[in-house]
Amino acid sequence: DAGVTQSPTHLIKTRGQHVTLRCSPISGHKSVSWYQQVLGQGPQFIFQYYEKEERGRGNFPDRFSARQFPNYSSELNVNALLLGDSALYLCASTSRENTEAFFGQGTRLTVV
Amino acid sequence: DQQVKQNSPSLSVQEGRISILNCDYTNSMFDYFLWYKKYPAEGPTFLISISSIKDKNEDGRFTVFLNKSAKHLSLHIVPSQPGDSAVYFCAANTGRRALTFGSGTRLQVQP
Repeated sequence: DAGVTQSPTHLIKTRGQHVTLRCSPISGHKSVSWYQQVLGQGPQFIFQYYEKEERGRGNFPDRFSARQFPNYSSELNVNALLLGDSALYLCASTSRENTEAFFGQGTRLTVV
Repeated sequence: DQQVKQNSPSLSVQEGRISILNCDYTNSMFDYFLWYKKYPAEGPTFLISISSIKDKNEDGRFTVFLNKSAKHLSLHIVPSQPGDSAVYFCAANTGRRALTFGSGTRLQVQP
């Protein structure tokens, strides 16, 4: 079984641009969460989706948005990119039965 | 306000000895605690977890201890191996909601 897959793995964008990051959860997992990890810190929660509905939102500006599709894959969108948005963006999926979240390898976003 | 704290940014131990990583939390509503291990350029890998109704959980070389009165948990790795060298994150959540992570402890196991 494939784990959580994220695309792209690396991305370079210019300030002011828009970016879309993609995530496919583990087969059978219906919950997807997004996290941002900057250097030297732990992952910070951005969004959680379950069965295509938003279940939680972290302390991030409205430039960040996300959605979950009928096949449970998810997109994270960030508008008007700032230099401070440079980070590793992690997607995690969770099954209904367990609490453990399983992470993808992340997307390394660099804003220049 | 950091609800989950890992006060030791780094730890170095000799191969074969015990590694003890510590984590403190402030939110008494947390009911589930997890440890993740992270190598560079990879996502965090789940290691072991513990429910707030328990005080100990063991899985092979890894044991997690929870002291609810002190709002403290620790991860013990025995014996430590060079392949254990990584950054370890403590995380907590309430009712299957999003995880709150600590800032991580970099473990270096010396051969």
